[in-house]
Amino acid sequence: DTGVSQNPRHKITKRGQNVTFRCDPISEHNRLYWYRQTLGQGPEFLTYFQNEAQLEKSRLLSDRFSAERPKGSFSTLEIQRTEQGDSAMYLCASSHRDFNSPLHFGNGTRLTVT
Amino acid sequence: DQQVKQNSPSLSVQEGRISILNCDYTNSMFDYFLWYKKYPAEGPTFLISISSIKDKNEDGRFTVFLNKSAKHLSLHIVPSQPGDSAVYFCAASWNSGGYQKVTFGIGTKLQVIP
Repeated sequence: DTGVSQNPRHKITKRGQNVTFRCDPISEHNRLYWYRQTLGQGPEFLTYFQNEAQLEKSRLLSDRFSAERPKGSFSTLEIQRTEQGDSAMYLCASSHRDFNSPLHFGNGTRLTVT
Repeated sequence: DQQVKQNSPSLSVQEGRISILNCDYTNSMFDYFLWYKKYPAEGPTFLISISSIKDKNEDGRFTVFLNKSAKHLSLHIVPSQPGDSAVYFCAASWNSGGYQKVTFGIGTKLQVIP
């Protein structure tokens, strides 16, 4: 169990650029989540995958955001035409298929949009 | 609409004393509750959980109490240690379309003073 890995750790981009983040979950976990955390707030749910299927998306996830999990392994989160309001910590988490299995978080990708 | 509320943004406790972190929730659908701990520059780490059918769960120095009628839960840390200094997130989940949808509070920053 090497834990949830997220890359890059930090990303600085100019407004209007596209960015992509990667998440590698714990290998035996079939559930994968993306959360966003801004200063002074708790993690806010963005989207959920069970294996390769994206089963839920938050209304926070505008059409500029897209997430994929090909083959049910790693996941990517892409933000197109970034805005300053997108600046946040993007957290990926995975969990086992057992009900109520706790989420295991990665260390996040901090995005700064200038 | 903050469904999980942590009304104390910070708490300072002397080493060796008890730390009590509080959390209130509004959604009666929540059936599982969790506490996560977060150090700076790291993702949240699962600490302890409790099912809605129980009123207490204990794990070493950490005990979580649930009062369903009051929609209130608390985390007790006894004795508190300097390494416990971190941000603590209360989280609650319910069955949403076959998976547990987790909602987080905004966190309480605990400082344990040596």
